[in-house]
This record gives sequence, C-alpha cells and structure tokens, in this order.
Amino acid sequence: DAKTTQPPSMDCAEGRAANLPCNHSTISGNEYVYWYRQIHSQGPQYIIHGLKNNETNEMASLIITEDRKSSTLILPHATLRDTAVYYCIGKGTSYDKVIFGPGTSLSVIP
Amino acid sequence: DAGITQSPRHKVTETGTPVTLRCHQTENHRYMYWYRQDPGHGLRLIHYSYGVKDTDKGEVSDGYSVSRSKTEDFLLTLESATSSQTSVYFCAISESQGAYHQPQHFGDGTRLSIL
Repeated sequence: DAKTTQPPSMDCAEGRAANLPCNHSTISGNEYVYWYRQIHSQGPQYIIHGLKNNETNEMASLIITEDRKSSTLILPHATLRDTAVYYCIGKGTSYDKVIFGPGTSLSVIP
Repeated sequence: DAGITQSPRHKVTETGTPVTLRCHQTENHRYMYWYRQDPGHGLRLIHYSYGVKDTDKGEVSDGYSVSRSKTEDFLLTLESATSSQTSVYFCAISESQGAYHQPQHFGDGTRLSIL
C-alpha cells in the first residue's frame, strides 16, 4: 500500500470550500486513492475513492493529478458537522488492510 | 449507512478474564475486519475474514482470536484480557464479487477497558 502524507491540521470557514491535500508519490498503478473521515468517537466513514479520473459524489469531489502523485479532497460547502479527521489512503485489492496514517484534523469555524 | 452492529458498545472487565466482541452485518458482504484504535497508533488491523471459516492475521493479532461461523457474524475473542488491550475496537466490512475496489465500511466501535 502506498505511503501517504497529509498536513496535520487545517481550518476552514463555514460555507467555504475545504480543500484537503494528500501526497502519495509511491502509489502504484493499480492502487486507488481512498478518503475516509472520522468524527470524534465514531467509526471511520468512507467518503470517496478514485484511480486516475476525478470523481464526485454527494459528499465530496476528488481531484487526482495526472501523475497520480497527489490528490485533493474538496468539500464544496463546509459545515460545522464536517469537523473531523480526514484520512487519505492508497490501497489495492478490496481485502487489503486499510492503513490509516495520522490524517488531517479539519476544523470548520463559524 | 452500512448495516453493521457492534456489541457491546462499552465494556469494563478485569485482567485475565475472557472477552468476546461481536460484529453483526446485514449487508451479506464477504469480507469482515477487526481493528483497534489507540492514541498515537491510528487504526491497526487485528484479524480479517474473507469468508465463512476463512480468517487471517493482521498486524497486531497476538492475544486475539476470531471466528466466523456464518456470513453475518464475526467474533473477536481476547482469551485472557490484559491492560494493553484496553482500546476502541472497530469492525469493518467490504464487498467483492468482481467489484474489485470496494471501500470498507465501519461500525461505531466498542470501547473496552481492562482494569
């Protein structure tokens, strides 16, 4: 599984877009980029994943650079409920263990 | 949300006692996982299952055993609990069936304290 690097913390004003970066320079060709988040004391929540094309769902957008060495998770209109730790993970087959690094602690500020 | 139920949600027990945690799913997913989460260590895989009666070890399996006698239930047992096993335990499930890169979905966790 690819090693990922994320900033330890970020702030975002409520209602603004939150852009969370992730570096995954060692990602291999068959590894997807997954994003999860964990709100305090709850289980991790899956957000989105992608291989090389940009992806969008009801929660977020995922922008992956052409060389696949980095990606950005975009929460288009952050709310206070988006305050959480966000994890970026590079992962292969579905039964591979999910290796969570320290993640980015996002604080959405009123 | 994925249909995952962990029980109990909280447990306090004494060193040396056996403890069993249960993960129950209603999604009929093939893969099930047990993780523990501790400050400074993030989430670490204990054991996982890729089918009924098919299990394998994760990175921190010592002191733990698992069983999966039916698709919907995955049990984690601490044979003789130690204080170092005080942690929050999460169960996760994922699907395969050719959908190669399906994400894992997590339960709400069991907070276990061993005194």
